[in-house]
Order: sequence, then structure tokens, then C-alpha cells
Amino acid sequence: KAGVTQTPRYLIKTRGQQVTLSCSPISGHRSVSWYQQTPGQGLQFLFEYFSETQRNKGNFPGRFSGRQFSNSRSEMNVSTLELGDSALYLCASSLVAGSDSPLHFGNGTRLTVT
Amino acid sequence: SQQGEEDPQALSIQEGENATMNCSYKTSINNLQWYRQNSGRGLVHLILIRSNEREKHSGRLRVTLDTSKKSSSLLITASRAADTASYFCATVRYSGNTPLVFGKGTRLSVIA
Repeated sequence: KAGVTQTPRYLIKTRGQQVTLSCSPISGHRSVSWYQQTPGQGLQFLFEYFSETQRNKGNFPGRFSGRQFSNSRSEMNVSTLELGDSALYLCASSLVAGSDSPLHFGNGTRLTVT
Repeated sequence: SQQGEEDPQALSIQEGENATMNCSYKTSINNLQWYRQNSGRGLVHLILIRSNEREKHSGRLRVTLDTSKKSSSLLITASRAADTASYFCATVRYSGNTPLVFGKGTRLSVIA
């Protein structure tokens, strides 16, 4: 079974631009979560989607948005990029939403904002 | 915001030794999970322990949970160079419908 796939793997953008990151969950998984990882703040929760509905949202500005499609694939978008948005963005899927379902992570998208 | 805090931040041991990492958290939890992350890659789920459990084993891994002290420990026995990674604890608050919140991790280096 294929794992969680995130594209692109690396991305370099300029301040003020916008970016869209993509995540394909494990087949059959309906829940997708997004995390931002930086050396200073560690892993910070962004969003959680289940069956195209956002279940939870982390404490990030409105520039960060996401969505989930009917095939469970998910995208996240960051508009008006800032230097501080440079991070590893990790997507994780699970069979169902809820705390008892372990997360399966992709290898992330490394975003560098210059 | 971080719910769990791992201790120590970094640990360096020789191959064959045991490695112990600790995690403390602040609020009542539903369960606690441990994950491993190799450099620059995604996290891998290791073990989940529920709030009504005290100890769980998985291969060379042993996890304990003390809800009265709001703490957990991860023991890796007979460590190998391949165990070199960062280890994170993650908790789910008992209030329900809340996301998994990660600590900042322990960086383990196993020297061959």
C-alpha cells in the first residue's frame, strides 16, 4: 500500500507570493491533518479534515487555508508568504478522525521563503 | 502550543546501551503516542498508550504512563545506530475532538 505522498518535495518562493501544497493520503484513509515544523516552534498543528469537512484548525493566521476533496486528497494554501513561513510542512492521514487512530505522515514539503 | 515536553532535549549513547526519554504534559489526556522522525523526513508512529494503561511493549520499545504525574517514558533497549532519530511524544486532550499535539522532541544519537 502506498504511503502518504506530498508534492512538491521542495519549494522556493519569494515574500508576497502564494503557494499550494498537495497531499495524497493512504488509500482508504479519510482523515488528513497538516502540521508545520520549524526548529524554533517544533510541530504546530494547522488543520484537520475528514470527509471534506474541516474538523479542527490551529492557531494560524487566515493566510493559511486548506481543503479536502471527495477522494480525500488535500491541499493547503499559504498566501502573501512571509519569511517566517519557511518550514517543513507535513501532511498525515489516518483511517478515521479521532484520537485513537495513529497518524501516518508523508515526508513533507520543504518551503523556503526568500 | 506544546502540550508535551520531552526530556532530555538531546541524548547520545553507545550502541547496545538503553535509551530513556521522558515526556511531561499539562492537561488530562485521552491517550499518548510516541513518534520517531529521521532527519528531514516524516514522522513514524511507534506506539499508543491509553490513559487507563500503565505500560506497553513493542519489540525493543517499552512505554510507561503515569497519569498522576502527567508523565510518560520511552525506553529503547539494546539501541542500534539505526535508532538515531528524533523522538516525539504527542497527546490528545481528554475533552474530545482535539488534534494531536506534539512536544519538541528528544534528539537521540546512537554511536556505533
